Amino acid sequence: GAVVSQHPSWVICKSGTSVKIECRSLDFQATTMFWYRQFPKQSLMLMATSNEGSKATYEQGVEKDKFLINHASLTLSTLTVTSAHPEDSSFYICSALWALAGTDTQYFGPGTRLTVL
Amino acid sequence: GEDVEQSLFLSVREGDSSVINCTYTDSSSTYLYWYKQEPGAGLQLLTYIFSNMDMKQDQRLTVLLNKKDKHLSLRIADTQTGDSAIYFCAERRTTDSWGKFQFGAGTQVVVTP
Repeated sequence: GAVVSQHPSWVICKSGTSVKIECRSLDFQATTMFWYRQFPKQSLMLMATSNEGSKATYEQGVEKDKFLINHASLTLSTLTVTSAHPEDSSFYICSALWALAGTDTQYFGPGTRLTVL
Repeated sequence: GEDVEQSLFLSVREGDSSVINCTYTDSSSTYLYWYKQEPGAGLQLLTYIFSNMDMKQDQRLTVLLNKKDKHLSLRIADTQTGDSAIYFCAERRTTDSWGKFQFGAGTQVVVTP
């Protein structure tokens, strides 16, 4: 149980275009999902908390108009990188909360590698 | 300190035990976790421990918790080449919103034959 998928696994786009990344909980419902960004050989940087049916909560320094998050159902959250630029190139990982032994635990997707040319 | 701290690198010979250390920030954190990340992949939950426990063993993995020193360790017995990865510890702080974790920087473990 507690499988999380991401699509696409990698994407290359031109500067100025928008890219949508999907995060799905496959065998459970998740009212809360998280979006992270990871640079090479670095830890995870939390970008935002995505709550089903409400607005996402963004971390300080993350532009909400640039990184649009939509959590329209209990199994799907999407991250759209708008007007992408080369500095947005990164590894984006989502996680979903699922109860394990009485407490919610984060289960991670496999990540999406974004390269902006 | 404010950050979850881990040593950055560990080299171990195949068959030996590995010990990865972590210092967390909130003495009242209720849950602490260990995740494994292989190259180009997401994070895989390895194990977790409740704060009212001192030790937890799960097959080759042993987690030790010292609440007084806010120190967490992960021991991998009989380390295999497939254990080469980055290992992250994470805590859930009572001051953070529900479900939010604080992650360490990760310890890269390299297993040599």
